[in-house]
Amino acid sequence: QVRLQESGPGLVKPSETLSLTCSVSGGSISSFYWSWIRQPPGKGLEWIGFVHHSGSTSYNPSLKSRVTFSLDTSKNQFSLKLNSVTAADTAVYFCASEHSWGQFDSWGQGALVTVSS
Amino acid sequence: QSGLTQPPSVSGSPGQSVTISCTGTSRDVGGYNYVSWYQQHPGKAPKFIISDVSKRPSGVPDRFSGSKSGNTASLTISGLQADDEADYYCCSPAGSNTYVFGTGTKVTVL
Repeated sequence: QVRLQESGPGLVKPSETLSLTCSVSGGSISSFYWSWIRQPPGKGLEWIGFVHHSGSTSYNPSLKSRVTFSLDTSKNQFSLKLNSVTAADTAVYFCASEHSWGQFDSWGQGALVTVSS
Repeated sequence: QSGLTQPPSVSGSPGQSVTISCTGTSRDVGGYNYVSWYQQHPGKAPKFIISDVSKRPSGVPDRFSGSKSGNTASLTISGLQADDEADYYCCSPAGSNTYVFGTGTKVTVL
């Protein structure tokens, strides 16, 4: 199994852009699908979307207008940008690999991002 | 997308069985045989325990089993153990290359 590690600022101001990177080791990002999933404190999981190694993407319709994913195959990393954040975007953000339909088989440890001024 | 409906909590004594339901619609659970399940202990990342409705990944005990009937999927934990106390989430494709998670169920071992 691959290993994933999220990194990025833990505090973002309202209306600004949340940016996170997921570093992948033990496997190549040039395969499969790479997903972002978030979990507000004390709440359930929310699928944000995925980026395929080809560069194609799919996003949760509720976030589609604010989210962008990208891949950096040279660094074996993929990234999330979520703009115009509000307090409702405060959550633990997980990156995960997806080898087949909805099989999120490896996860990062999660990164808590707080939106606050 | 609304979350798939799961009971907030279920409980059982060690050795007993518990079943968690995951109810959606024909546009998600009922329309695909790709329901997956995840176990999450407090403060930890979710762990993948069931794929394709009823398949167990390598290393997952056969005490965990999945099934589906119509728009409802189910996860059964047999021979309940203390370490099974955790939150459990189902997940299903929801059309147009999107996914939706369940609302989550807390399993308590009495």
